Amino acid sequence: SQQGEEDPQALSIQEGENATMNCSYKTSINNLQWYRQNSGRGLVHLILIRSNEREKHSGRLRVTLDTSKKSSSLLITASRAADTASYFCATINDMRFGAGTRLTVKP
Amino acid sequence: NAGVMQNPRHLVRRRGQEARLRCSPMKGHSHVYWYRQLPEEGLKFMVYLQKENIIDESGMPKERFSAEFPKEGPSILRIQQVVRGDSAAYFCASSPPAGKADEQFFGPGTRLTVL
Repeated sequence: SQQGEEDPQALSIQEGENATMNCSYKTSINNLQWYRQNSGRGLVHLILIRSNEREKHSGRLRVTLDTSKKSSSLLITASRAADTASYFCATINDMRFGAGTRLTVKP
Repeated sequence: NAGVMQNPRHLVRRRGQEARLRCSPMKGHSHVYWYRQLPEEGLKFMVYLQKENIIDESGMPKERFSAEFPKEGPSILRIQQVVRGDSAAYFCASSPPAGKADEQFFGPGTRLTVL
């Protein structure tokens, strides 16, 4: 299996609920990054967390990193319909992206 | 400061033709990456270039695909003798000179359709 695998592959929630996506990776990393891709569009960088950080916040986003388990999670709080997109984690030092989690937020 | 620019945004080719995809990195960025995204899939790394150098082409198919990033002008991803399986979205990203461990900024992509 490939580096940077997201879980679940698809997630459907109601507006206002929280969405949690997970990512696992295989090799050691310098940092891990999360990106969002709206349907048919390019990727937008959301947040970068370095290997010596455990948690990072940006607005309604919260990212955690557990290097012992080689995993990361992205939490989107109080979701909105505009959050509907695919979310990818990436281990940039070896340029691997997962297949993404497709998040649908229903109004 | 314009972001990463790619052109064309959409490209249609018939089997056997050549496809040329262009990427202009953000101002001040000297690292360029090309990714391919097949329908309903994630991005697959293809190649990492700095000016006039290919740093890592481990994701490039061995035949028909080539990439360059000349001293002047955009980076070019070239696909010769295209086949239907080449139909995909091709994204370019750039990062500042500090290196590939930094954030990458993505272009809007070129959607290649091979008839």
